[in-house]
Amino acid sequence: QVQLVQSGAEVKKPGASVKVSCKASGYTFTNSAMNWVRQAPGQRLEWMGWVNTANGDTRYSQKFQDRVTITRDTSASTVYLELSSLRSEDTAVYYCATRPGLAVAGFDFWGQGSLVTVSS
Amino acid sequence: EIVMTQSPATLSVSPGERAALSCRASQSVSSNLAWYQQKPGQAPRLLMYGASTRATGVPARFSGSGSGTEFTLTISSLQSEDFAVYYCQQYNNWPPLTFGGGTKVEIK
Repeated sequence: QVQLVQSGAEVKKPGASVKVSCKASGYTFTNSAMNWVRQAPGQRLEWMGWVNTANGDTRYSQKFQDRVTITRDTSASTVYLELSSLRSEDTAVYYCATRPGLAVAGFDFWGQGSLVTVSS
Repeated sequence: EIVMTQSPATLSVSPGERAALSCRASQSVSSNLAWYQQKPGQAPRLLMYGASTRATGVPARFSGSGSGTEFTLTISSLQSEDFAVYYCQQYNNWPPLTFGGGTKVEIK
């Protein structure tokens, strides 16, 4: 069965960077794109970006364009989200999410979430 | 960016009753709309895609309708496990993919 297992919780100071990982199993990694979605406390879901796991092509939300990098390691079936210049408003649960194929649509599969807390 | 607006913010319903949740897009998204259910401390669960197609394993009491800018998720007879927050998401024009603000379905 499809599983997305994310790295653990992080506490970072303002201005620092964080890197969250998402290890996929149960399907052919390069057949499905991966997305990152975050949710601040009590807030709506917010899409951050997408990576084509086959060739590394990325698409980002303009809101995060200057601060976010999504990469993948095909040998490890793992996708990474790096967010820099952290501020308190980046405190959120970060999810990876995917669906069969490379097209965007509804996300069938989600990781368990990684809590990132930004605090001085 | 397409803005998704959900109403009401909170819906109080008794078990066994019908619930209708609304989602409006700031411009047409055709039928490229998904619905999710989220319970506290959990990741979202896909309920519907293509506006009206149930995802795998979703009970038949959930149905979706609409196209263009107006969409509805209907739960025909609320069960205890259905009390949660529901989000719509458009994937017609991206980046970015955008979500609505959610509707909390609570026990009346």
